[in-house]
Amino acid sequence: EAGVAQSPRYKIIEKRQSVAFWCNPISGHATLYWYQQILGQGPKLLIQFQNNGVVDDSQLPKDRFSAERLKGVDSTLKIQPAKLEDSAVYLCASSLDRSTEAFFGQGTRLTVV
Amino acid sequence: AQSVTQLDSQVPVFEEAPVELRCNYSSSVSVYLFWYVQYPNQGLQLLLKYLSGSTLVKSINGFEAEFNKSQTSFHLRKPSVHISDTAEYFCAVSDRLGGADGLTFGKGTHLIIQP
Repeated sequence: EAGVAQSPRYKIIEKRQSVAFWCNPISGHATLYWYQQILGQGPKLLIQFQNNGVVDDSQLPKDRFSAERLKGVDSTLKIQPAKLEDSAVYLCASSLDRSTEAFFGQGTRLTVV
Repeated sequence: AQSVTQLDSQVPVFEEAPVELRCNYSSSVSVYLFWYVQYPNQGLQLLLKYLSGSTLVKSINGFEAEFNKSQTSFHLRKPSVHISDTAEYFCAVSDRLGGADGLTFGKGTHLIIQP
């Protein structure tokens, strides 16, 4: 069974630029999560989808971050414009539904300079 | 609101020695507790979880954790570690029964196994 795929693995951008991350969840998984993991901290949930609907985006900085999962499969997370404090690993995870184990991708490491 | 405290950011231990990684939580409602492991250059993997029933839960690779409600703890232990156990370990808590809903993670503990 293929795991959660994320791209790119690494990205370096200048502050005020925009960036997008892509996630392909495990086939058939209805629930998709985006987490932000700043160096030295645990992952923090940014947004959670159930199929193509948003379940929880309470911790998403909506003035600069956006995410979508238009067809209920792949998802993209965008930052525009990026700030230095956005430097982090962005993790995508998926689960069959909200009551089962989530599987995580390897993450995208973003460096904002 | 819920929170998780992992007191040790780094734990060095010799191979074949026992280890304990500490985790304390705070929550105003029922809790479900998890330990995740992150091996170098890999994603997070669920190691073990406590949802209900027996307070002692075990993983397939020899780790175990005990839910202690009075001390609000969920420490992770292994009687004899191996080099391959070198990884970052995250404790997490949720107030919703499920795999990853509403998870709050601790800052992680880096387990370093010395030969």
